[in-house]
Amino acid sequence: GENVEQHPSTLSVQEGDSAVIKCTYSDSASNYFPWYKQELGKRPQLIIDIRSNVGEKKDQRIAVTLNKTAKHFSLHITETQPEDSAVYFCAPNTGNQFYFGTGTSLTVIP
Amino acid sequence: DSGVTQTPKHLITATGQRVTLRCSPRSGDLSVYWYQQSLDQGLQFLIQYYNGEERAKGNILERFSAQQFPDLHSELNLSSLELGDSALYFCASSVVQDSPLHFGNGTRLTVT
Repeated sequence: GENVEQHPSTLSVQEGDSAVIKCTYSDSASNYFPWYKQELGKRPQLIIDIRSNVGEKKDQRIAVTLNKTAKHFSLHITETQPEDSAVYFCAPNTGNQFYFGTGTSLTVIP
Repeated sequence: DSGVTQTPKHLITATGQRVTLRCSPRSGDLSVYWYQQSLDQGLQFLIQYYNGEERAKGNILERFSAQQFPDLHSELNLSSLELGDSALYFCASSVVQDSPLHFGNGTRLTVT
């Protein structure tokens, strides 16, 4: 199956700074690239996604960039706020399956 | 509210027992996925159904089985339970197979 890696596994930033999380995948057939946010004790929720025919997508303070040649995509959060503190998962889709990355625990320090 | 309903919310049972977890997908969603999340761990893909048919299997143990019924709700059956099966089990649904997943609130299983 797909080999998915996320880096870093933990990330602490000061409020107002930017955060970047990178996800690498192995299957060149992957065509859909979502990011999910999971707050403590809650369900994962989609925050942004991108398809293989697009290089970048932005939604307010959140953006995702895709490099299909290098097989990685990244989550960018600008002007971080304490409520951004959560675990973030990438989940590239190949065919019928979503393989979730190991997660990145983001802490935003007020 | 994601529109995905999972029952029960909590389940406490003993080793060796069997339990059934239930999931009702969001209205209109044909795909149902089951994931297992152990403490401080990631989401392990178990199995996927699409419109009643099994489409993909992940790291699902032989002691576990699932099915999707004609009304599209799904059940995950866990048998001969072990302490290590204690986890949060999520169900997710999507319209088609490469569209956003909508997660239920999960069933927390505790095996004692």
